[in-house]
Amino acid sequence: NAGVTQTPKFQVLKTGQSMTLQCAQDMNHEYMSWYRQDPGMGLRLIHYSVGAGITDQGEVPNGYNVSRSTTEDFPLRLLSAAPSQTSVYFCASSLGGYLYGYTFGSGTRLTVV
Amino acid sequence: EDKVVQSPLSLVVHEGDTVTLNCSYEVTNFRSLLWYKQEKKAPTFLFMLTSSGIEKKSGRLSSILDKKELFSILNITATQTGDSAVYLCAVRGETSGSRLTFGEGTQLTVNP
Repeated sequence: NAGVTQTPKFQVLKTGQSMTLQCAQDMNHEYMSWYRQDPGMGLRLIHYSVGAGITDQGEVPNGYNVSRSTTEDFPLRLLSAAPSQTSVYFCASSLGGYLYGYTFGSGTRLTVV
Repeated sequence: EDKVVQSPLSLVVHEGDTVTLNCSYEVTNFRSLLWYKQEKKAPTFLFMLTSSGIEKKSGRLSSILDKKELFSILNITATQTGDSAVYLCAVRGETSGSRLTFGEGTQLTVNP
């Protein structure tokens, strides 16, 4: 049981480049989310999805796009990378509802130069 | 807007000490509060507290929820160096659906 798998683990981008962070889960979880973690800021929600075909914005969505074509996959796209997007990104999934916690992936450390 | 404040932000103790980590929150129509432990990588789930489950215990770790005063504490007794980590508190309210709002975290360092 792989859980939540994120790729890549590390990435360096130049300002203005685009890229996609991949997230896949094999637990048949309906809910998936993307968070970024910065020093002193905790985890902040970027985008989330409550099921295939349904996505919504979180707290800090600007500069990021998501899609959810299947239950398993929830990629995060950086459209035009900026140094302010240097962060650690976590994907998480949950069965949904109030009684379930989230399972997190191992994270992607992104540096934009 | 949901809000979570954790204190202290960092804490250094010696092995064997007992520590108490604090989490206060503001959330519309509270549903649950979760504690996570984060070492070098992904946060790992510790406890979930709800209106029907205000106290949880697992080994040396325990947590309580005070819904009236809007806070939770995480206690760790007989600390070990392996307890060194960032401890994250998150809340979920009815209007936020399944989304979690996290606090900044408490960095705990346990020295031998």
